[in-house]
Amino acid sequence: ETGVTQTPRHLVMGMTNKKSLKCEQHLGHNAMYWYKQSAKKPLELMFVYNFKEQTENNSVPSRFSPECPNSSHLFLHLHTLQPEDSALYLCASSQWGMDLYGYTFGSGTRLTVV
Amino acid sequence: AQKVTQAQTEISVVEKEDVTLDCVYETRDTTYYLFWYKQPPSGELVFLIRRNSFDEQNEISGRYSWNFQKSTSSFNFTITASQVVDSAVYFCALRTYEYGNKLVFGAGTILRVKS
Repeated sequence: ETGVTQTPRHLVMGMTNKKSLKCEQHLGHNAMYWYKQSAKKPLELMFVYNFKEQTENNSVPSRFSPECPNSSHLFLHLHTLQPEDSALYLCASSQWGMDLYGYTFGSGTRLTVV
Repeated sequence: AQKVTQAQTEISVVEKEDVTLDCVYETRDTTYYLFWYKQPPSGELVFLIRRNSFDEQNEISGRYSWNFQKSTSSFNFTITASQVVDSAVYFCALRTYEYGNKLVFGAGTILRVKS
């Protein structure tokens, strides 16, 4: 596979559930990102991982827990979410410090919290 | 502070019309990079163009063209002879060293091209 792959594409979960979003890239990039895209709001950067180390957490609530076991995989663990957390969650990757194409994005996971 | 403003929330045009999407940015850095991305209904953001702050030359790629003007801090995107397949959300983004090389996005402009 090429590019950035996100699974699942769609997810419906209750507020008491625990689920995980997965992101995988085979581009040889060393930085990965989670963005949240809510309706009528700008893309919000949530987390940044650079060489598997978390370098940024943009005041994201603890009910969102990222994990980066290696430079090719990124997870977002979800628990006790709120309805306002319903959004499109986009994963991206890049070669840190090289900005030729900005980031490569996945197709996102459409999350609905009920 | 880094900021990208896309004042046009939604634009509707009829096929074959030309359309310009506006982007205004703010940064204190003298070295920065500007991007345009397209987000079709499938969801992924597709890279369209990157421009660095030292290159004010306008660019044309097929029906797409970009007008970069540092004097007005604008990086506008024009689609000539629009097509239905151009319907998407278009994002302008800014990347600066001051902001740790992270992309800052505008709110996006929804473009609807009707046949």
